[in-house]
Amino acid sequence: SQKIEQNSEALNIQEGKTATLTCNYTNYSPAYLQWYRQDPGRGPVFLLLIRENEKEKRKERLKVTFDTTLKQSLFHITASQPADSATYLCALDMKGGATNKLIFGTGTLLAVQP
Amino acid sequence: NAGVTQTPKFQVLKTGQSMTLQCAQDMNHNSMYWYRQDPGMGLRLIYYSASEGTTDKGEVPNGYNVSRLNKREFSLRLESAAPSQTSVYFCATRGLEQYFGPGTRLTVT
Repeated sequence: SQKIEQNSEALNIQEGKTATLTCNYTNYSPAYLQWYRQDPGRGPVFLLLIRENEKEKRKERLKVTFDTTLKQSLFHITASQPADSATYLCALDMKGGATNKLIFGTGTLLAVQP
Repeated sequence: NAGVTQTPKFQVLKTGQSMTLQCAQDMNHNSMYWYRQDPGMGLRLIYYSASEGTTDKGEVPNGYNVSRLNKREFSLRLESAAPSQTSVYFCATRGLEQYFGPGTRLTVT
């Protein structure tokens, strides 16, 4: 069966450390993988997108890797801050393009302690 | 630009009542989506519309209907609400990335 898995348990880290979140999938071959941030009571907000032929993508303190052989994406936040505390969702995009559905993971709650 | 707007923000219904959730986008995107989000279940797609005039079922369509009124507006209707439909509902649109509305928190008693 097709599955997307993110750490269901909350990730607690100390301010200043690097947070690493994992997204694993089975029986999918996505063209793109996207990461979103969701704060309590709000809709998800797009952060980063990585294509299947890209190994790594960076944006400020954020870094995403995409290993299509392992079927895994890692999402890193360096020099983490309490303001980074939120739920982070990964989403698979099978074909790319605006008319296709995204398939979302259930998210990982990140808590950054001051 | 407002992006994606949803109304209402909160709603309480009794079992069997009906209601329509409204969604509008000003991003000129063709595709629009309705999701529900429940604790531990993540975002589940109810219906989507790839373009004006078309709608398709998602993962959990039972108990819902949709209308793509025009390019900007996509509404979700609950004809006879059930307690299992208590959830937070998000409308979204997308270019390559997806843009979500602020959500509607619905409680069915």
